[in-house]
Amino acid sequence: GAVVSQHPSWVICKSGTSVKIECRSLDFQATTMFWYRQFPKQSLMLMATSNEGSKATYEQGVEKDKFLINHASLTLSTLTVTSAHPEDSSFYICSARGAVGLAGGPSYNEQFFGPGTRLTVL
Amino acid sequence: QQPVQSPQAVILREGEDAVINCSSSKALYSVHWYRQKHGEAPVFLMILLKGGEQKGHDKISASFNEKKQQSSLYLTASQLSYSGTYFCGTEQYDYKLSFGAGTTVTVRA
Repeated sequence: GAVVSQHPSWVICKSGTSVKIECRSLDFQATTMFWYRQFPKQSLMLMATSNEGSKATYEQGVEKDKFLINHASLTLSTLTVTSAHPEDSSFYICSARGAVGLAGGPSYNEQFFGPGTRLTVL
Repeated sequence: QQPVQSPQAVILREGEDAVINCSSSKALYSVHWYRQKHGEAPVFLMILLKGGEQKGHDKISASFNEKKQQSSLYLTASQLSYSGTYFCGTEQYDYKLSFGAGTTVTVRA
C-alpha cells in the first residue's frame, strides 16, 4: 500500500511554456501533499504544502504565481510551472501524507514519495 | 531549518557496518529516514517519533534521542543493495519535513 504516482516522469519543454505535473495517491486518501524540488546532488527542498480544498502554503522564496498548485481531491494534486525558464529545470517530487487511521493509508505521518518528474527547459 | 547529517559519504565493503547521524538545532517531533538511488525518488525507510524510540527493518535500524535532537541510522552487515544516498527528514510540529544534505553510501563487493 501507500503508492504515489507522478505524471509525467520526464518532460522537455521550450522556454516560456507551462508544464503541468500530476501527483496521485493510488491506494489512500492524502490529506496533505508536498512538492519538493531537487537539484543534482543536492537535498530535497520543500516548495509548498498542499491541503485538499484549500490554498497551498508556499515556502519562503518560492513564487506562488510561477508554481501553481491545485489540490482538487484527496487523491490528486497538480503543480503547474508557468512560463518555464532554463533555471526551472530540476527534479520535481511530490509526497503524500494520509490522515491517521484511514484504512489502507499510512499509519502516522509517513510521507510517501512519488517517482519524480524530471523537467528540462530548453 | 535543515538538519545536519554526517558523514557526507561513506564507503563500505559488504558485511561492514556504518552509522549515519542527523542532528537539529530545533526541538523535534519526529525523524524520518529515506534512501534514494540515483535518478529515483526517495524511498521511505522508517519514522521515529519522540519518546526516544528505536526501530529496525532487516539490518537497518535507527534511534532517536529527542532531548539531544539527534537521530542515528545504523547499517549492519551492509549489502550491495544498501548503496544510495540516505536522507533524514526532521519534523517539528507542522507535518513539514526539512531534509539534511544527505549521506552517500557506497557498498562494494
